[in-house]
Amino acid sequence: QVQLVQSGAEVKKPGASMKVSCKASGYAFTGYYIHWVRQAPGQGLEWMGQIHPSSGETTYAQKFQGRVTMTRDTSIRTAYMDLTSLTSDDTAVYYCARGTILVALLTWGQGTLVTVSS
Amino acid sequence: EIVVTQSPGTLSLSPGERATLSCRASQSVASRSLAWYQQKPGQAPRLLIFGASTRATGIPDRFSGSGSGTDFTLTISRLEPEDFAVYYCQQYGSSEWTFGQGTKVEIK
Repeated sequence: QVQLVQSGAEVKKPGASMKVSCKASGYAFTGYYIHWVRQAPGQGLEWMGQIHPSSGETTYAQKFQGRVTMTRDTSIRTAYMDLTSLTSDDTAVYYCARGTILVALLTWGQGTLVTVSS
Repeated sequence: EIVVTQSPGTLSLSPGERATLSCRASQSVASRSLAWYQQKPGQAPRLLIFGASTRATGIPDRFSGSGSGTDFTLTISRLEPEDFAVYYCQQYGSSEWTFGQGTKVEIK
């Protein structure tokens, strides 16, 4: 079945960088955008951006421009999200999701908790 | 950026009652590109509705979406115990997708 499996929880120091992976299975990896969405503790959902696995084309939310990089490795059907210059405000569960402009976010990963703390 | 606002923040209802959730966008949403998600504690969101009114695969018909332009509604015709959760709307008609802040449907 369609699955997105994310990497495990991380603890980071302020100023550090984080990298979360998202491995896809059960569908044509290059046929759907991979989006990244985060959720701070007790808060709502925040869209961070998207990558098209086929072309590598990315679109980032203005809020994260200059701090986020989304990449992919089609040979292992995996997408990655890098976020730099972390602060405590970046403590959140980070989700990857498969989507299109027709049907929005169809399938979600299980989420990766990243805690930023000194 | 299109700002999406949901109301009410919390809806307190009993099982069997009808729930009506509102979502308003700061600009017209192109091509009715509006989705609704359900999220339960400790779980990832689940897509319920896309294209403002099309139910995703496996979603019961008690969930329905309507609206266009800037005003959208999610209706749950008769609340089941498993429907008590947080609901988010999202516009995906612009290059930067945005979510509403969520509506919590709680048991009265």
